[in-house]
Amino acid sequence: GAGVSQSPRYKVAKRGQDVALRCDPISGHVSLFWYQQALGQGPEFLTYFQNEAQLDKSGLPSDRFFAERPEGSVSTLKIQRTQQEDSAVYLCASSTRTGFGYTFGSGTRLTVV
Amino acid sequence: KQEVTQIPAALSVPEGENLVLNCSFTDSAIYNLQWFRQDPGKGLTSLLLIQSSQREQTSGRLNASLDKSSGRSTLYIAASQPGDSATYLCAVETGANSKLTFGKGITLSVRP
Repeated sequence: GAGVSQSPRYKVAKRGQDVALRCDPISGHVSLFWYQQALGQGPEFLTYFQNEAQLDKSGLPSDRFFAERPEGSVSTLKIQRTQQEDSAVYLCASSTRTGFGYTFGSGTRLTVV
Repeated sequence: KQEVTQIPAALSVPEGENLVLNCSFTDSAIYNLQWFRQDPGKGLTSLLLIQSSQREQTSGRLNASLDKSSGRSTLYIAASQPGDSATYLCAVETGANSKLTFGKGITLSVRP
């Protein structure tokens, strides 16, 4: 596609519910990142994929967070048993390769009530 | 650990003014530095990308410079317009996994 597509745009979850956030990167982009942006803050790194391999998941805040990219294209970020502190905008970005900059999606705004 | 700082957090200027937004980073071993714009409730729009071997990049009324050795970048906006009002974020790409480290952003308001 022409850009990075994320869905849903908005998600309201009751505390304790599981959620799944989808990212469809630009076709052919090898690298895919997930970032979390709290209100008034810059985005914080969560995890990185190169093709289908998850090479870095050091930014995932707890074992309730899980990400996958099984076929090296679409990625899903799953949050189990959501908590209020999970409320944030979740951004996905993709790139052709190292050093060539990133294209970001519009993000998914998650609100946990 | 790479840290990126943007000061001030907010800036308000009258329309037509030329302005400079500053960004500093602690580790000079970067692949590149990227400036983004973020409108309220929206994702990030890439404005300019400066490779580590470059000194500056220009796009329209925007000019970004990079001094890698001193860990600084500036984004120059000429003849500011109300439509430039947004949050401006800088980010550096570093490390084996090309992770981006962001500043907290500068929220710019251009008054008509």
